[in-house]
Amino acid sequence: GAVVSQHPSRVICKSGTSVKIECRSLDFQATTMFWYRQFPKKSLMLMATSNEGSKATYEQGVEKDKFLINHASLTLSTLTVTSAHPEDSSFYICSANLAGLYNEQFFGPGTRLTVL
Amino acid sequence: AQTVTQSQPEMSVQEAETVTLSCTYDTSESDYYLFWYKQPPSRQMILVIRQEAYKQQNATENRFSVNFQKAAKSFSLKISDSQLGDAAMYFCAYKGGWGGGSQGNLIFGKGTKLSVKP
Repeated sequence: GAVVSQHPSRVICKSGTSVKIECRSLDFQATTMFWYRQFPKKSLMLMATSNEGSKATYEQGVEKDKFLINHASLTLSTLTVTSAHPEDSSFYICSANLAGLYNEQFFGPGTRLTVL
Repeated sequence: AQTVTQSQPEMSVQEAETVTLSCTYDTSESDYYLFWYKQPPSRQMILVIRQEAYKQQNATENRFSVNFQKAAKSFSLKISDSQLGDAAMYFCAYKGGWGGGSQGNLIFGKGTKLSVKP
């Protein structure tokens, strides 16, 4: 089956620093990837849609200068949380679209970000 | 805009019994897909079952089946012979068809936490 990896799985950083999270589709090419944020015991909230070779599309209320997304290749999208603050602490999940009948999304295992 | 509603924040079932999780959605599109995802404590999202809106037949995957009522915009998940490993958060999700201008993003309900009692 299609596999999506995320790195790192867990990161702790100091307030004011930037953190980069990588999302890779390991055995398929993904022109579209998605970034979600999940608070404890809550649902997934779509942050942005990442399209290879073009600018990401951000959901309303998501600061594009705060959450930088780069989709430089068909297998890699990165999310950079710039000048992180404690309120950015959350669980971040990426998914990748496998083109086909269902354009099914395959999810990465998630990254837990803690900002001190 | 499309919305997905899961009205049961928590459900509990006895091992080997059957449980049904509810989901309703709202859309003006005619072409779409519906999904149930499972998120165990590891937090890895796992696809349980999918349903294409144009299909009248309810999808089944082993112990998992759905009751898809298109007119009522209802999409419930039935888990038969519940097992301890079924304990997880279950999310109902909607995805529009490409013809509707959708980028393929999923719209999730708030989730139902399922506990399985031994």
